[in-house]
Amino acid sequence: EAGVVQSPRYKIIEKKQPVAFWCNPISGHNTLYWYLQNLGQGPELLIRYENEEAVDDSQLPKDRFSAERLKGVDSTLKIQPAELGDSAVYLCASSDGGTRTDTQYFGPGTRLTVL
Amino acid sequence: GQQVMQIPQYQHVQEGEDFTTYCNSSTTLSNIQWYKQRPGGHPVFLIQLVKSGEVKKQKRLTFQFGEAKKNSSLHITATQTTDVGTYFCAGYQGAQKLVFGQGTRLTINP
Repeated sequence: EAGVVQSPRYKIIEKKQPVAFWCNPISGHNTLYWYLQNLGQGPELLIRYENEEAVDDSQLPKDRFSAERLKGVDSTLKIQPAELGDSAVYLCASSDGGTRTDTQYFGPGTRLTVL
Repeated sequence: GQQVMQIPQYQHVQEGEDFTTYCNSSTTLSNIQWYKQRPGGHPVFLIQLVKSGEVKKQKRLTFQFGEAKKNSSLHITATQTTDVGTYFCAGYQGAQKLVFGQGTRLTINP
């Protein structure tokens, strides 16, 4: 069974440019998460989807970040415009239930560098 | 909001030595999860503890959940080079938001 797929793996852009990340969760997983991981820190939740509905986006900086999960399968996270402080690894994870006891499966992440 | 703190932030050991990382929460946790992230990799689920005072073992790894469900520990006996990585604990804040600690980075001298 394929794991969580993310692309691109690496992205280098100049500040003020837009950037988008794509995630395809494990087949059958209804819950999808986007996390931000800064160097030396644990992942921090940006947004959680249950199917196509964003049920927790309280940590998403909505002035520049947006996300969508059309059809409740794959998802896209966008930053526009990017700032220097956005340099980090963006992780996507999925689980099959979205409850407290679920295991979250992480993708390899996209490492973003903003110059 | 809930904070999950881990100590130490870094630990360097000789191969064969034991290693322990501690996790403390400012609030009572319904459950706690542990993840391992290899250098350059992504977090991989190790285990979940739910019950007060629960102890679980995975080969050389022993996980404990405190009686008050506010702290947890991971102990590795006789470390091997394959144990290198960052170990994260994570607990749920509110309904379904998983809050990660900052992790303990383990390096091993072979």
